[in-house]
Amino acid sequence: LAKTTQPISMDSYEGQEVNITCSHNNIATNDYITWYQQFPSQGPRFIIQGYKTKVTNEVASLFIPADRKSSTLSLPRVSLSDTAVYYCLVGLPPSGGYQKVTFGIGTKLQVIP
Amino acid sequence: ETGVTQTPRHLVMGMTNKKSLKCEQHLGHNAMYWYKQSAKKPLELMFVYNFKEQTENNSVPSRFSPECPNSSHLFLHLHTLQPEDSALYLCASSQEKSQGFRYEQYFGPGTRLTVT
Repeated sequence: LAKTTQPISMDSYEGQEVNITCSHNNIATNDYITWYQQFPSQGPRFIIQGYKTKVTNEVASLFIPADRKSSTLSLPRVSLSDTAVYYCLVGLPPSGGYQKVTFGIGTKLQVIP
Repeated sequence: ETGVTQTPRHLVMGMTNKKSLKCEQHLGHNAMYWYKQSAKKPLELMFVYNFKEQTENNSVPSRFSPECPNSSHLFLHLHTLQPEDSALYLCASSQEKSQGFRYEQYFGPGTRLTVT
């Protein structure tokens, strides 16, 4: 499983765009990049997933350069409710019927009024 | 509401007690997982069940005993725990075949366990 490195914490003011970058230098050819969000005392929640280039959904955008050794989660115009821990995961699609992924420490995002 | 429920949400138990955590998924998924999340540590995968069969056991102490009677239910039986076992225990589920090229795990809210 590829190891990921991301900042431990970030602060941002409300209304700003937040970019969280994750390094995964030993990503394998078939690995996908997935981001989860976790609020205190809750389980993680899927945000976005991609393989290469750019992916956008109603919540965030994910930018993946051509070498795929890093990825950037972009949250547009954050609000106080976006205060959470954000995890970057790298792993294979389900194999043998299930997924095996590794969560790191994550990035604790604090949104300031 | 993720479609994965866990009970109880909070549990306090002594080191000599026996208790069980319950997880239920209403999503029709084939795989279910137990994770442990201790303070300031990453989520640790404990067990994986796929179609009721245990496929992963990440060197978890025998005082944790999982049970998966069917694809919708997962239990974690606890006995003679230690204070360092206090943590948030999370259950998750996933399906083998993705929808729209999306592979994700759906997590429950967790059980906050305190061992005294």
